[in-house]
Amino acid sequence: QVQLVESGGGVVQPGRSLRLSCAASGFSFKSYNMHWVRQAPGKGLEWVALIWYDGTNRNYADSVKGQFTISRDNSKNTLYLQMNSLRSEDTAVYYCARDVSMGPYIRWSFDLWGRGTLVRISS
Amino acid sequence: QSVLTQPPSASGTPGQRVTISCSGSSSNIGSNAVNWYQQLPGTAPKLLIYYTNQRPSGVPDRFSGSKSGTSASLAISGLQSEDEADYYCAAFDDSLNGPEFGGGTKLTVL
Repeated sequence: QVQLVESGGGVVQPGRSLRLSCAASGFSFKSYNMHWVRQAPGKGLEWVALIWYDGTNRNYADSVKGQFTISRDNSKNTLYLQMNSLRSEDTAVYYCARDVSMGPYIRWSFDLWGRGTLVRISS
Repeated sequence: QSVLTQPPSASGTPGQRVTISCSGSSSNIGSNAVNWYQQLPGTAPKLLIYYTNQRPSGVPDRFSGSKSGTSASLAISGLQSEDEADYYCAAFDDSLNGPEFGGGTKLTVL
C-alpha cells in the first residue's frame, strides 16, 4: 500500500526541540523528492522544506530557515524534520508529502500526503 | 497574507458549475505551473490538478484547471455534495524560491 505515515508530534514547551518522522511504504522512496508542509489550526497550507531524493540538496521556507532541518534515511524509507527553538507560531499539523518528480528535478506538486502529526507549542 | 489570492468562500447547488479563482503575479502563476489541492474536512490535502490543467488518475473529469496571465481557475462541473471542501491553489514563486499556497476557498454545496 502506497502511503506516508507521520509520527513524533505532541505538546512541547516554547524553546524546546522535536523531531518528526515520516515512514514511507509501497513505493521507491529513494527515488522521490520529499517535502514537509504545515497547517496551523484553522489556517491554510504552508510549505516548510524540501529534500532531494538523494539528500544532496535541501530548501527551506524563510520562516523556518536556520531553525528546522530536513533529512532522510533511504535505507529506512524515512523522512525527518528536526525542529529547534520552537515558538507558538510553529503550532500546526505537519504533513510529509511526496513530490510528483523523481530524480534531480523538482516539480513542486505534491501527489501523496500523509495524515499529518500535530505539533502544539505551549507552556 | 498569502502571495496567491483566492476568494474565501464559494457555493453552488448540485449539478451546477462553479469556478474558483487564484490571482498571483509574474513571479508565480505568470511563469510557473499551477496546482490545485482539495482538502475534505478533517483530512489531508489531495492533489486535484497539477501542471495547471492535468488530472491525476482517479480524479473525475468534472474538475478542470486553466491559467491566463497571472491568474488561474479551478472549474467544477456537475457539482456534487461530496465536493464540499477547502480548495487551495499553489505555484512556485521565483522571487521567494519556494512554492506558495493561496489562502484557500471553502466550497459549500447548498
